[in-house]
Amino acid sequence: QSALTQPASVSGSPGQSITFSCTGTSTDLGDYYYVSWYQQHPGKAPKLMIFDVSSRPSGISNRFSGSKSGNTASLTISGLQPEDEADYHCSSYTNSGLVFGGGTKLTVL
Amino acid sequence: EVQLVESGGGLVQPGGSLRLSCSASGFIFSNYAIHWVRRAPGKGLEYVSAISSNGDSTYYADSVEGRFTISRDNSKNRVSLEMTSLRAEDTAVYYCVKSLGDATVTYYFDYWGQGTLVTVSS
Repeated sequence: QSALTQPASVSGSPGQSITFSCTGTSTDLGDYYYVSWYQQHPGKAPKLMIFDVSSRPSGISNRFSGSKSGNTASLTISGLQPEDEADYHCSSYTNSGLVFGGGTKLTVL
Repeated sequence: EVQLVESGGGLVQPGGSLRLSCSASGFIFSNYAIHWVRRAPGKGLEYVSAISSNGDSTYYADSVEGRFTISRDNSKNRVSLEMTSLRAEDTAVYYCVKSLGDATVTYYFDYWGQGTLVTVSS
């Protein structure tokens, strides 16, 4: 069982906006502003999409945005595109090391 | 360009051993900690182990503590993960990941290797 909780799957149509949730506790996600999100296509390595809750690495589209409220972090993709179909993993820093969620599979209909 | 290339994966019987390697290039290897993260089939990512830039500090997840040993050779830009007493639940793709700095503590991962598959089965 993963430390952070993510829905197993979400789906959306091209052009829509979609939001992923990632729920932790007051001792991990709720206590730190070090939440990151990773996109992973089948057979590929994870790719950093968001760090420090809402910052985007260089080269990442501004269609991707992150936020946090209490013990729940969110990743929003606006203007959904077919190439966004992938698994999305959230992660949070804790004083015991990084913890991950179980991942959410995004299907673009 | 930062590159991390894993090798050494394969099929091993329960109770067996395997040694994974990670060869790095494109950055000053001796300045950065290196981590291992795995993904079991149908599961999420799991943080496994880390080693500081000079090798003095290491970290292991509870699930592998006492069975896995991480080491590095800065003269060869290489990190190794020695895995013993392997179990079926260790079956996963293992990724080598560059840290943000020299310590095992990191807030996120910026560069990942492509991974190497370890299958533990009889």
